Amino acid sequence: AQKITQTQPGMFVQEKEAVTLDCTYDTSDQSYGLFWYKQPSSGEMIFLIYQGSYDEQNATEGRYSLNFQKARKSANLVISASQLGDSAMYFCAMREDNNYGQNFVFGPGTRLSVLP
Amino acid sequence: GAVVSQHPSWVICKSGTSVKIECRSLDFQATTMFWYRQFPKQSLMLMATSNEGSKATYEQGVEKDKFLINHASLTLSTLTVTSAHPEDSSFYICSARRDIGIQETQYFGPGTRLLVL
Repeated sequence: AQKITQTQPGMFVQEKEAVTLDCTYDTSDQSYGLFWYKQPSSGEMIFLIYQGSYDEQNATEGRYSLNFQKARKSANLVISASQLGDSAMYFCAMREDNNYGQNFVFGPGTRLSVLP
Repeated sequence: GAVVSQHPSWVICKSGTSVKIECRSLDFQATTMFWYRQFPKQSLMLMATSNEGSKATYEQGVEKDKFLINHASLTLSTLTVTSAHPEDSSFYICSARRDIGIQETQYFGPGTRLLVL
């Protein structure tokens, strides 16, 4: 079963508008972490934001915020005031801690295109 | 932010040769590093978790004798693709885990593109 689901293979947004990228996850662990990464065409993975499972407040980093809804197991990324440089692949990822150690999985990704 | 480097960034080699890729955390110590591979238009797939001073933990389906991982120091992990074949051609990315208080993340290297002829 897929642990991380990103239902939007591609998204378009107008420059300066906000956009939400969806991410749902599946875990039975109580302790886990959720991450969002950006991968531009150069291939480098750029860390954007982190949310711990015990964090009660939604994480924010500049124009990025994570809409964490624990009961629904969703961790959507909100990008405010989109810029042309935001065009890239975006990956949601989860780190699980369990009796077998640590597991880190990525979702399939969403390609965001920002239109001028 | 934290910096992780990878070397080389591009490798073209003949089938049957071995290729070593280095991953370094430049401004922090990383007890745990990760190796991923990514095929075109696909997501990252974790290959193995590299722990300093101990054997790497490989994901199911990844041949440990083919992909040799050495984490000799807190700032360096190496991945050696032994007897590379064309199907090993891929984008290999390493990451290093960094914990600051309760905040944790993985910082990724720029990746290494391997083409096996």
